[in-house]
Amino acid sequence: AQKITQTQPGMFVQEKEAVTLDCTYDTSDQSYGLFWYKQPSSGEMIFLIYQGSYDEQNATEGRYSLNFQKARKSANLVISASQLGDSAMYFCAMRGYSTLTFGKGTMLLVSP
Amino acid sequence: ETGVTQTPRHLVMGMTNKKSLKCEQHLGHNAMYWYKQSAKKPLELMFVYNFKEQTENNSVPSRFSPECPNSSHLFLHLHTLQPEDSALYLCASSQQAQRDDEQYFGPGTRLTVT
Repeated sequence: AQKITQTQPGMFVQEKEAVTLDCTYDTSDQSYGLFWYKQPSSGEMIFLIYQGSYDEQNATEGRYSLNFQKARKSANLVISASQLGDSAMYFCAMRGYSTLTFGKGTMLLVSP
Repeated sequence: ETGVTQTPRHLVMGMTNKKSLKCEQHLGHNAMYWYKQSAKKPLELMFVYNFKEQTENNSVPSRFSPECPNSSHLFLHLHTLQPEDSALYLCASSQQAQRDDEQYFGPGTRLTVT
């Protein structure tokens, strides 16, 4: 069975600062993918970044980077230079041989 | 229209009503998904369709009935729902139902069962 744990129910950050959102996972699959999604108050889930379990380099997409530590089974999302529009729920998800499993999410609030 | 669209965006229905949720994707994808998002709970996968065939039913009660007439359209037919079925229902699509295919989500239908 797959499990995703996001231990931070909420995070606060000031505009232009960097923030790290934690995600740990558990799986018995040898090959898997890790995803981060953003959900603004409008409800739509927006794909941010993907990391494959066999990728040697950490994934980066603009201001988003994924700090992947396979031995520790962690896949933390780092947002650099936070913007007010980054305020949203953030979900970590994993997909192995079965379907996508989501964590409970972290609410990020960016203040001016 | 681009991406994944869902209609209606909001729905209020009584427990004896029958209604349907519609999802349409304009991305040329072959896999479509229904998710349920309840307050303070992780997103729950309900159904997966790959090339119009249902490949996964995550122990969903029979009062939820999916239909996938083609790769671009997905419906969720609702009947005799319970108040605990009130939630945000999200539709998603991906190129195929594979491990590294990111899913693109629609805006969701906010369902309230009275």
